[in-house]
Amino acid sequence: AQTVTQSQPEMSVQEAETVTLSCTYDTSESDYYLFWYKQPPSRQMILVIRQEAYKQQNATENRFSVNFQKAAKSFSLKISDSQLGDAAMYFCASDKLIFGTGTRLQVFP
Amino acid sequence: EAGVTQSPTHLIKTRGQQATLRCSPISGHTSVYWYQQALGLGLQFLLWYDEGEERNRGNFPPRFSGRQFPNYSSELNVNALELEDSALYLCASSLFVVDPARAFFGQGTRLTVV
Repeated sequence: AQTVTQSQPEMSVQEAETVTLSCTYDTSESDYYLFWYKQPPSRQMILVIRQEAYKQQNATENRFSVNFQKAAKSFSLKISDSQLGDAAMYFCASDKLIFGTGTRLQVFP
Repeated sequence: EAGVTQSPTHLIKTRGQQATLRCSPISGHTSVYWYQQALGLGLQFLLWYDEGEERNRGNFPPRFSGRQFPNYSSELNVNALELEDSALYLCASSLFVVDPARAFFGQGTRLTVV
């Protein structure tokens, strides 16, 4: 069975700074996807970024990028130039849509 | 294109009653996933339906059940409600064959058990 672990219940960052959210996972699959979702106070789940395991290049979406370490089964999210609107719960998820427990990100002006 | 819709948005029930939550997936999506998000906790996987069949089930008691209809909409039923069932219930849909992993979420149903 797949497992997804987020060990940081809360993180904070100053506006315009960079923050990294951690995620580790376990799977027996050889090819798979991993995702980061954002859940703002509105509760709507929003896909932030996804990584295909067979691709060695780390995925990037504007200010969001991942550090995918397949051998270590690590999948961290880096948010650059943090903005107030980035404040939300962030969930790491597998392609079986198994989610981690989430990291609450606070952004301070 | 309409997104995933869930109804009702809020539901208040008393302990011991039954609750029925509904989810309409994005048109063309065949997979529906149900999650429970209790206050301060992450998303706990409940059920996954695809093409009318239950494909996977999370670690929840049998009083949590559901079904998927021929039009791919889905119901989640919670019997013998307990206070700790109070949570946000999220539904997600995906087009399993084409993109098995990218899911779109509804706004959720807030269930309160008193």
